Amino acid sequence: EIVLTQSPGTLSLSPGDRATLSCRASQSFSSNYLAWYQHKRGQAPRLLIYGASSRATGIPDRFSGSGSGTDFTLTIRRLEPEDFAVYYCQQFASSPMFTFGQGTKLEIK
Amino acid sequence: QVQLVESGGGVVQPGRSLRLSCAASGFSFSTYTMHWVRQAPGKGLEWVAIVSYDETNKYYADSLKGRFTISRDNFKNTMFLQMNSLRSEDTALYYCARARRSLTKTDAFDVWGQGTMVTVSS
Repeated sequence: EIVLTQSPGTLSLSPGDRATLSCRASQSFSSNYLAWYQHKRGQAPRLLIYGASSRATGIPDRFSGSGSGTDFTLTIRRLEPEDFAVYYCQQFASSPMFTFGQGTKLEIK
Repeated sequence: QVQLVESGGGVVQPGRSLRLSCAASGFSFSTYTMHWVRQAPGKGLEWVAIVSYDETNKYYADSLKGRFTISRDNFKNTMFLQMNSLRSEDTALYYCARARRSLTKTDAFDVWGQGTMVTVSS
């Protein structure tokens, strides 16, 4: 089973700042199988990025994903008020155990 | 529009059973692999189970130890999760989710329902 570790656990930033979220895997896998989600309280999770770097439909270009092997990053270029939420990475390489990271809470400073 | 709607949650005593449903609309349900994901109070997302588009393949998280059964009815565009021998640690918001690509290996969940809450308590 691939374990995903996200850091930091909580990130405190201000609107307009740049956010960098990390997702580290316990073993290397193809970047084709790494996704990022945004989750706000009371709402369904929202797919942001698939294949480590491809934006999902309707996702603003201030969201970008990168990385390979065991290290993946979600970057939010200029934070908008609506971006403050919990972010999860998920792997699909060790099918069918599609594990999530534990999440990073992005909060307003 | 593409939509998933879960139902069937509620309060149940430990050891009892519950059946969740996920009604799909707006897309060709029979061509997509589907999943259940849960979130316990104050915790992160946990993948629960997968059923292939034709129901020939089903897999579960190791933590479930054979207590849950996933199924689907492609004529009714509905997926199910039968949960038996429920425990307090099964208390969670249960989401259904669609695999992003049809008829091929999953690489993301692109459509999610709003979730149905299951509370296991005496």
